[in-house]
Amino acid sequence: GENVEQHPSTLSVQEGDSAVIKCTYSDSASNYFPWYKQELGKGPQLIIDIRSNVGEKKDQRIAVTLNKTAKHFSLHITETQPEDSAVYFCAATYTGFQKLVFGTGTRLLVSP
Amino acid sequence: DADVTQTPRNRITKTGKRIMLECSQTKGHDRMYWYRQDPGLGLRLIYYSFDVKDINKGEISDGYSVSRQAQAKFSLSLESAIPNQTALYFCASGAASGANVLTFGAGSRLTVL
Repeated sequence: GENVEQHPSTLSVQEGDSAVIKCTYSDSASNYFPWYKQELGKGPQLIIDIRSNVGEKKDQRIAVTLNKTAKHFSLHITETQPEDSAVYFCAATYTGFQKLVFGTGTRLLVSP
Repeated sequence: DADVTQTPRNRITKTGKRIMLECSQTKGHDRMYWYRQDPGLGLRLIYYSFDVKDINKGEISDGYSVSRQAQAKFSLSLESAIPNQTALYFCASGAASGANVLTFGAGSRLTVL
């Protein structure tokens, strides 16, 4: 079955710096890769996703890149702000499977 | 009101007790899920249901059972709680078609002493 590895487990940056979180997946059939943000005391919430027919997707300060050959995908946050501090989860699945397999999470701390 | 509501939000219980965590959603979604979150292990799927008559085991279903009482309600039971079931539990719902976007509840923190 699918296995998703996520690195780093913790990431500390200064406000205004960029942050990058990386994930790898094992199942070449996976074609949908979402990223969820979990703020303290809340459930995870979708922030951006990408499908395998696209190499990159941007939404304001966040972007996701996908390398299908290497089975890597990454979350990029530019101009980080303290409110970006949260736990971020990557996930993978494929059409018809309908179960998301999550990575182990990255705790991002943005210091003012 | 929240789209996905979990009760209770916090529960402390003793080993051997039966515990039920309840979940209801107002999204009109067909699919509902129970996940468990542990530090360093991420979110792991316990059970999922694609409609009222469909129940499926996830990767860590041992020691748990579920009931889909209606399209909007999906409860998780621990028949005889043990300390290693201490965790944060999340319910989620998703539409049957389109993207695999999940809407999560705020979580139920369970402590088994």
